[in-house]
Parts: sequence; structure tokens; C-alpha cells
Amino acid sequence: NAGVTQTPKFQVLKTGQSMTLQCAQDMNHEYMSWYRQDPGMGLRLIHYSVGAGITDQGEVPNGYNVSRSTTEDFPLRLLSAAPSQTSVYFCASSVQFRDGTGELFFGEGSRLTVL
Amino acid sequence: GQQVMQIPQYQHVQEGEDFTTYCNSSTTLSNIQWYKQRPGGHPVFLIQLVKSGEVKKQKRLTFQFGEAKKNSSLHITATQTTDVGTYFCAGERGTYKYIFGTGTRLKVLA
Repeated sequence: NAGVTQTPKFQVLKTGQSMTLQCAQDMNHEYMSWYRQDPGMGLRLIHYSVGAGITDQGEVPNGYNVSRSTTEDFPLRLLSAAPSQTSVYFCASSVQFRDGTGELFFGEGSRLTVL
Repeated sequence: GQQVMQIPQYQHVQEGEDFTTYCNSSTTLSNIQWYKQRPGGHPVFLIQLVKSGEVKKQKRLTFQFGEAKKNSSLHITATQTTDVGTYFCAGERGTYKYIFGTGTRLKVLA
């Protein structure tokens, strides 16, 4: 199993450009999410999905779109990149067991710079 | 703003000293998880606490969940250089909605 795979690992954009960060998992997990990590801010939830066809907003959703057409894939789209979106982005997947336990599996991250 | 706060933000310790990080939520959590992120790496799951007042141990690491399920702590006994990294707590606010704390960066001086 590859786990959670993110592409690209690095990307430089100009202000106003659009792009999509890809995330795929091969563990058949119901739950997927996107976080951004900035110095001193920890990990902030952007969007998440509890299953195919279902998405919801997290703490910082503005400027980002997501869709979940399959269980495996959860792409994150930046429609018009801004310098404030310079960050490291992490995708995560999870399955939750009936006893309430579970864990997040993270991808290796995508470092995005917006000039 | 950030609804799950951690203190301290940074901690430098001599190898062999103990270390504790505290996690505080503004609302009650259904459960709390702890993650470790090595420099340049991604967060890796350490443990999950579900019950009020729960205490769990993993070798030199002790995790505690508060009685009101609004705070938690991670204590490392006799730190080693391999403990270096940033430790995050994450609280579940609704099904699958995990909100992370601000993290505590630990440096261990040999």
C-alpha cells in the first residue's frame, strides 16, 4: 500500500494562477481532509469529506474548492492563487472504528509558493 | 481564531530532562489525538484518548485527557535526541472534523 500520496511536492505560482493539488489514498478510507501548515499556526483544516460525494468546510475554506467523486481521490483547487496561500499543504485520510478510535494518515505534503 | 491552544510554543531541554506540553480547547471534545512531526516531515499519529480522565502510556510518553474533556497533556520522561520534533494535539469536533492545536516544538540538547 502506498498510503496517502500527494502531488506535486513543490509548486511555484504567480498571483492569480489556478492549480490543483492532488491527493489519493489506497486504504479505502471514508474520511479525507486538507490542512495547511504555517509557522506558529499549527495545522488548520481547509476542507474535509466523510465519503464520496460529501464535502464540508473546515476552519479556513476561503479561496479553496474541493470535490470527492471517488473514495480514493480528494483534489484541492486554488482558483486564483494569492500570496497568503503560500504554505505547506497536507492531505490526510482516516477510518473511524465503532469504539470511537481512529487515526489520521498524512501525505508527505505539498509546498506551495505564490509570488 | 485557533480554538485549540497548546503551550508552550517552544521548549528546549537538556537530554535526560522531562518535557510536558499542554493542550486546551474552548469546547468539549469527543476525543483527542496526539501527533508528532519530525523536522521536514509529516505528522504521525501517536495515540487517541476517548474517556474522561483517561491516562495512557507509551514507554517514556504519558498522555492524559482531562475530566471535562477540554484539555490534555503529553509528558515525556528523560528526553532523548530522537524526541525532537513538533507535538500536536487534535480534537474531534463533530464526526471526522479534527481541529489541531498550535503545536509545541521540542528541541533536545545533547
